[in-house]
Amino acid sequence: QTVVTQEPSLTVSPGGTVTLTCASSTGAVTSGNYPNWFQQSPGQAPRALIYTTNIRHSWTPARFSGSLLGGKAALTLSGVQPEDEADYYCQLYFGGDQRYVFGSGTRLTVL
Amino acid sequence: EVQLVASGGGLVQPGGSLRLSCTGSGFTFSTYELNWVRQAPGKGLEWISHISTNGGSIFNADSVRGRFTISRDNAKSSLYLQMDSLRAEDTATYYCGREITGTEPLTFWGRGTLVTVSS
Repeated sequence: QTVVTQEPSLTVSPGGTVTLTCASSTGAVTSGNYPNWFQQSPGQAPRALIYTTNIRHSWTPARFSGSLLGGKAALTLSGVQPEDEADYYCQLYFGGDQRYVFGSGTRLTVL
Repeated sequence: EVQLVASGGGLVQPGGSLRLSCTGSGFTFSTYELNWVRQAPGKGLEWISHISTNGGSIFNADSVRGRFTISRDNAKSSLYLQMDSLRAEDTATYYCGREITGTEPLTFWGRGTLVTVSS
C-alpha cells in the first residue's frame, strides 16, 4: 500500500516563504503522478490550489507555486498571508484501484 | 455556479447500510468522471471510489472494495455510494469530486456529508 508523506506541521511568519513537500513510498514523485495540492480550512471542503505539478487554478493566488524538488512534489507559498493558515494536502495519481493517494497533510501556522 | 453537494449521511450501527447521494448542478454532469473521497474526524483525506462518465469503469480502494458500491444516474445528475457492512473506521465526512482525465483535475464543489458508525 502506497504511503504519501508530508511534513506534519510548519510555521511561517506573515510575509515569509515556506515550502511544503510530498514524498511517495514508491520512490521519486514524477510528473506522471500528476501532483495536485489542496487547501482545507476547518469545517470546509478541500479547495484545489495546484494541479499537474505546477498549474494554478483560476482562483489560486499567484503566491502559491508548485514544483518537483529532489524527488518530491513541492508547494511554495511566497509572501504568506494570515488567511493561508490551513491544512494542505498533496494528492498523487497511481492509477487503477489505487487511483489517487492523498498525503498525510501539513498544518500550516502563520505566526 | 458549479455545485456538487453530498447528502444522506447519519448515524448507523456497525454492520449496517447507508446510501449516500451527491447532486451536481451548474455543469454538464454526464461529461465528468466522479469520485468519492472521505475524511475521518481529525484525519486526512482518503480517496475511495471512482466512476467513469457512463458508469462502465469503476475503481475502488482496498479499504472499501466488496462493501461499497459507486453508481451514477446522469439523467438525475446524481452520484451514489451504497455502503454495506459498515465499520467504525468508516466514520468520516464523505465528499464527492469531479474530474476529466487528462483535461481537468479532481476538484470539490460543495459540502460533504457525515457518516457515523457506532452502536
